Amino acid sequence: QKEVEQNSGPLSVPEGAIASLNCTYSDRGSQSFFWYRQYSGKSPELIMFIYSNGDKEDGRFTAQLNKASQYVSLLIRDSQPSDSATYLCAVAGGTSYGKLTFGQGTILTVHP
Amino acid sequence: DTEVTQTPKHLVMGMTNKKSLKCEQHMGHRAMYWYKQKAKKPPELMFVYSYEKLSINESVPSRFSPECPNSSLLNLHLHALQPEDSALYLCASSQLWSGTDTQYFGPGTRLTVL
Repeated sequence: QKEVEQNSGPLSVPEGAIASLNCTYSDRGSQSFFWYRQYSGKSPELIMFIYSNGDKEDGRFTAQLNKASQYVSLLIRDSQPSDSATYLCAVAGGTSYGKLTFGQGTILTVHP
Repeated sequence: DTEVTQTPKHLVMGMTNKKSLKCEQHMGHRAMYWYKQKAKKPPELMFVYSYEKLSINESVPSRFSPECPNSSLLNLHLHALQPEDSALYLCASSQLWSGTDTQYFGPGTRLTVL
């Protein structure tokens, strides 16, 4: 089992729809959870981080964390073509101290 | 301001060349990282510096040599690289190396080894 797994893509949604990106992790000691967006040929850009169970909202983005289920998600409301990118889930803490463990990424395409 | 800068943006080198990648941050962060990223893969950690001391070396070949001259600068010296070392090299920094701090990435250096 991979340490961090993301829903396999690519994910395609129409403009204006909600895009839902999911991530599960295996290390129960994990403490910090991050979503990075990466455009093709560019570096990862931090979108959200979440440490506590529940929801965290920032503009059109909502991160959801459920530590009991070892699940973290990112919702993008009113998706725009500019949201088309690879989204990387990353987890920190637990047995991999000092390291970010990345998922393989989910490619999101928002079509007009 | 969460800016990490990297130079050069692109680098082409032969297998016998020696070159260096540079990374700089002025956020007062005390942890800095080097990652390597191949196409369609997530970043892979190479090195971690905490308070200018090497804290993690992920069994990286000795042809990659990191250096942290001060708290704002991080270098990666390259020598006798192989074509398979061609990748995007990313620098990141975080407030501390606490294990859970948010890491901010620089724009990367696209390295091609001929």
